Amino acid sequence: GAGVSQSPSNKVTEKGKDVELRCDPISGHTALYWYRQRLGQGLEFLIYFQGNSAPDKSGLPSDRFSAERTGESVSTLTIQRTQQEDSAVYLCASSPRTGNNEQFFGPGTRLTVL
Amino acid sequence: GESVGLHLPTLSVQEGDNSIINCAYSNSASDYFIWYKQESGKGPQFIIDIRSNMDKRQGQRVTVLLNKTVKHLSLQIAATQPGDSAVYFCAEITSYIPTFGRGTSLIVHP
Repeated sequence: GAGVSQSPSNKVTEKGKDVELRCDPISGHTALYWYRQRLGQGLEFLIYFQGNSAPDKSGLPSDRFSAERTGESVSTLTIQRTQQEDSAVYLCASSPRTGNNEQFFGPGTRLTVL
Repeated sequence: GESVGLHLPTLSVQEGDNSIINCAYSNSASDYFIWYKQESGKGPQFIIDIRSNMDKRQGQRVTVLLNKTVKHLSLQIAATQPGDSAVYFCAEITSYIPTFGRGTSLIVHP
């Protein structure tokens, strides 16, 4: 069956440009999470959605970061005015519901800001 | 500038040996603890979780031990196989929000 998909798989952008990253969760999964993973580091929580509402945005690093979710499907993470320190792999995960510990991860989007 | 290379703690074992990967956590109020496996170029994969009121939980070839006194979590892998080679992360869950550790690289030699 289809797992979590993310696009693009790789994105190279220039400093100051905006980027939009997409996540398609597993159908029927109501919870969706975004993480950032820098080279050689663990995952850094950014935001999660329960349905299309985001109860906790505390992990977003700055106001340049925002995320939306349409219903219980696709989510987009937008980074405005990208900086070099935004370079990382951005991972999305979904789970059947909030509180279900088994999250299913996508392959990630590798973002490089030049 | 960007860091160069991976400086993760590394555990090297021989195929067939048992592996023990350790993790220290910080929040005594965490509800759950989870272990994930991440192979190169892939997203993390859930292995096993344990509720904070438990000390031990077993899965297929894996056992997680939780010592709340010293805030320590371990993952034991029995009869380690080359396919177990990956980076292993622990995570603590507080109010649905996970906080991940830095990871341990497990290398299994055939």
